[in-house]
Amino acid sequence: GQSLEQPSEVTAVEGAIVQINCTYQTSGFYGLSWYQQHDGGAPTFLSYNGLDGLEETGRFSSFLSRSDSYGYLLLQELQMKDSASYFCAVRDTDDMRFGAGTRLTVKP
Amino acid sequence: DAMVIQNPRYQVTQFGKPVTLSCSQTLNHNVMYWYQQKSSQAPKLLFHYYDKDFNNEADTPDNFQSRRPNTSFCFLDIRSPGLGDAAMYLCATSREGVRGSNEKLFFGSGTQLSVL
Repeated sequence: GQSLEQPSEVTAVEGAIVQINCTYQTSGFYGLSWYQQHDGGAPTFLSYNGLDGLEETGRFSSFLSRSDSYGYLLLQELQMKDSASYFCAVRDTDDMRFGAGTRLTVKP
Repeated sequence: DAMVIQNPRYQVTQFGKPVTLSCSQTLNHNVMYWYQQKSSQAPKLLFHYYDKDFNNEADTPDNFQSRRPNTSFCFLDIRSPGLGDAAMYLCATSREGVRGSNEKLFFGSGTQLSVL
């Protein structure tokens, strides 16, 4: 079967660093993406990894290891506005399948 | 400028009364998706179109249908809504899907459907 596993909740303080892990099992694999969703809003794209390694975009970085079927999203210098749900997603042929999401709470 | 537009933002319907949700895009993307998202859950893919090719997920109920009359528009029809169909419905687009290198999905703001 197909599955994406990520922690359900993470809590951190402002200015800290947090890592959200994602492991996946899919029949096809064309890359791992991360999306952010604030309450009541639509998911917005954060990053994409098609190949192994680290991708950095400002305060956010994402890592992929295809041999381990594993990736993570790293958020640095956390801000209150980073409180949201974060979804990993895997492209399987034309489909984009999402994990259950990790709710990040940033505290002062 | 909004690129993926969903109307209405909130939709209330009665149990068993057909309802149609709409999505339009100004991106000229080939792929359009419909996702269902219930509270605190992952978006669940219902179906997608690659151009005019319709792809239905195996576990999408027959109660859900979709139409894509042209590149810009896509509709989600729920023929007989049940209480369990109350959810946020998200439309998304991508340029090429796996056939290209662009992996980014662009989401609309969603339609929150209530079933009374």
